[in-house]
Amino acid sequence: DAGVTQSPTHLIKTRGQQVTLRCSPISGHKSVSWYQQVLGQGPQFIFQYYEKEERGRGNFPDRFSARQFPNYSSELNVNALLLGDSALYLCASSLGQARQPQHFGDGTRLSIL
Amino acid sequence: QKEVEQNSGPLSVPEGAIASLNCTYSDRGSQSFFWYRQYSGKSPELIMFIYSNGDKEDGRFTAQLNKASQYVSLLIRDSQPSDSATYLCAVTPGGSYIPTFGRGTSLIVHP
Repeated sequence: DAGVTQSPTHLIKTRGQQVTLRCSPISGHKSVSWYQQVLGQGPQFIFQYYEKEERGRGNFPDRFSARQFPNYSSELNVNALLLGDSALYLCASSLGQARQPQHFGDGTRLSIL
Repeated sequence: QKEVEQNSGPLSVPEGAIASLNCTYSDRGSQSFFWYRQYSGKSPELIMFIYSNGDKEDGRFTAQLNKASQYVSLLIRDSQPSDSATYLCAVTPGGSYIPTFGRGTSLIVHP
């Protein structure tokens, strides 16, 4: 079975632009979470979706938004990009919401110039 | 703010030795604990998870929970150079479905 897939792999944007990152969970997984990871730090939680509803939001500005589709895939949108948004963006999926292990995709490396 | 703390390392061990990685957490009600391995430039890979009801052994890896002292350990027996990576600990606080990650411990296994 395919793991969590993310696209694109790499992305270069300039300040002020907008970006959309995509994620397809493992087949059968209904929960998708988004994380931001900068060098030397652990992943920081951005959003969690379960059954197409937002179930958690981390300490990120409103420039960050996300949604989950009926097929459980998800998109993360970031508006008005700042230099500090440069990071590895990780998507993780799990079977359900309750305390189950998350499996990560390969991530999207976003660079802001 | 629920916190998860890890020593950033690096922890250096010789090949064949036991590597012991620790992670402390602040929320006494935490019930699920995860260990991920992350190679440089790659995404985290789940290697072990335990719940508050007990420890677990899987091949060379053992995860142990000390609830009284609020820390979780990952032991890697017969360490190999291929085990060299950053090990991330994640803890799901009580009443939450969202794990909090530590910053990771860098492990170096030298031949």
